[in-house]
This record gives sequence, C-alpha cells and structure tokens, in this order.
Amino acid sequence: DIVMTQSPATLSVSPGESATLSCRASQSVGSNVAWYQQKPGQAPSLLMYGASTRATGVPARFSGSGSGTEFTLTISSLQSEDFAVYYCQQYKNWPTYTFGQGTKVEIK
Amino acid sequence: EVQLVQSGAEVKKPGESLKISCKGSGYSFTSYWIGWVRQMPGKGLEWMAIIYPGDSDTTYSPSFQGQVTISADKSTSTAYLQWSSLRASDTAMYFCARLTGSAAARFIEYWGQGTLVTVSS
Repeated sequence: DIVMTQSPATLSVSPGESATLSCRASQSVGSNVAWYQQKPGQAPSLLMYGASTRATGVPARFSGSGSGTEFTLTISSLQSEDFAVYYCQQYKNWPTYTFGQGTKVEIK
Repeated sequence: EVQLVQSGAEVKKPGESLKISCKGSGYSFTSYWIGWVRQMPGKGLEWMAIIYPGDSDTTYSPSFQGQVTISADKSTSTAYLQWSSLRASDTAMYFCARLTGSAAARFIEYWGQGTLVTVSS
C-alpha cells in the first residue's frame, strides 16, 4: 500500500497568519492527491484535487502544490472557520486509496 | 444537488448483525462509484471498500476484507455496509462517499453525513 505521511500533526496558528501543511507519499502518486477538511462533528469536505485544483466553492486562500511524492496545502490569512483537521489522500493506487493521518490546525 | 443521506446512529451488542445505508440522490446512482470510510473515535480516516452500483463490482481494502460486506440496490439508489457479527472494535463513525473523475483518477467529491455505530455489551 502507498503510505501517506502528514506533518506536522498539529499546527498552532494565529488568525490572519498563513499555514503550510505537508503530505508525503511513500511512492510516486503523480498529481493524484486530494485534500479534505473536517470540522468537529462533521463529515469531511473536499478542498483540493489533482494536487492543486480547488473544489467548487473553496476560497482562493487555499492553495495546493506538489507532484510525485511531496505535496503542500497552504492556507493564507487563516479565518476562524479554517481551524479544522486536514487530510490528504492519494487516489493513484486504484482501488486501494489511502489517507494521511491528518493535521490539526488550531488557534494559537 | 448531489446528496448522500445515511441511516441513523446504531447501538448494538457484540455478536449482533447490522446493515447501514446510504441513499444517493441528485445524480445517476448507477454511474458513479461509492466508497465507505471508517473513522474510529478521535482517529483519522480509513478507506474500507468501494462499489459500482451499475454492476455491483466491489473491492475491499485488505484490512476490511472478510470483515464487512458492501452492496447496492439500484432500484432505491441505496448503498449498504453490513456486518454479520459486530465487535467492540467496530465502534466508529462510518461515512459513505461518492467518487468523481476518470478511470485513471477518481477522487471523493461528495460525502454522506456519517452513521455512528456503537458496539457495547
């Protein structure tokens, strides 16, 4: 299986600052990475697919980059509603997809 | 509007059976893969299994093979996840999810609201 490793586990950020989340794949997954946001008590929601394409309705302060094995999700000027857990997922290895363990973005 | 509506929370005893559901609407149910994802209390997301309702083609993650069964009913646009004998370790939130994309790159675009399964004696 392809292992997805996210870092850091927790990121403490002040509102208005930016946050950079990392995701590393154990082998190349091309650009087949999606990012999901999960708020407490809610289902995850799609933020990004194809490593860098924002899903419908996702604000421009969210951006994604990377290919191969290294991926980054950047949130510029964090808003209160952005404090959540973020997961990366590879969808290269059909049909056995794998998620990273998540990064919690918390208020500093 | 695409919607996946899951059945309500369940409380079961170890050894009991259970079948939870996920009803799709707002799209052609038979044309998109549906997956199931587990989230144990306080933990991350785990990919369980996937089904194509059009022909019931099914694949399980190795960790869940033999532990659960997934199915789909085209007539009611509903996907199912079932257990024949629950264990306490099956206590978790279960999400269904609809995939979007081409054969070479399908990702989860829509999620159900989740079904909480609690197994306790």
